[in-house]
Amino acid sequence: DSGVTQTPKHLITATGQRVTLRCSPRSGDLSVYWYQQSLDQGLQFLIQYYNGEERAKGNILERFSAQQFPDLHSELNLSSLELGDSALYFCASSLNRGIGYGYTFGSGTRLTVV
Amino acid sequence: GQQLNQSPQSMFIQEGEDVSMNCTSSSIFNTWLWYKQEPGEGPVLLIALYKAGELTSNGRLTAQFGITRKDSFLNISASIPSDVGIYFCAGPANSGGGADGLTFGKGTHLIIQP
Repeated sequence: DSGVTQTPKHLITATGQRVTLRCSPRSGDLSVYWYQQSLDQGLQFLIQYYNGEERAKGNILERFSAQQFPDLHSELNLSSLELGDSALYFCASSLNRGIGYGYTFGSGTRLTVV
Repeated sequence: GQQLNQSPQSMFIQEGEDVSMNCTSSSIFNTWLWYKQEPGEGPVLLIALYKAGELTSNGRLTAQFGITRKDSFLNISASIPSDVGIYFCAGPANSGGGADGLTFGKGTHLIIQP
């Protein structure tokens, strides 16, 4: 157990729908990162939050958004889903803002859009 | 954006053999990270490198930060069945310091034949 908790583990939904993925970081970690892993694109950085504020954006689509709450858990919202959004979505957390000593990943949410 | 090229894409080896893989970047990195991912799990940090020429070990794993700062190498000695997985190199997504996300290589799939 990495200490980073992601729910749900699996999600199947239809095109055009909206889903919310949830992440609880390791105790004490202030930064949360979201990544998408697909066969063709590999692991892609989406967005980072630090202590409740957006810190950095990667290749995140406009249909996707995220937020980090006062208790430091984070949610990734995916809307107007397309077949190509099917992927593994990982959350990671770290104590500080920078990549520093790397960070800890959760086990991921597998999203299937049908 | 920055690209990381990992090679080989996959390796089929016998148990007990040594393994070498590498990663090259299109630009200079100040940090190199090596992760391992097993089925159904998120990537786990193996080794972090912070200085050109640095050689760091973690058990049977040894990684080096290339002196050009555009490459890194990971070696595994005397492979065992639990070494099976996908090995990723990673570095800062934005060397300018703006983003704290990571850029990942496409991974090296390590398969061990008994």
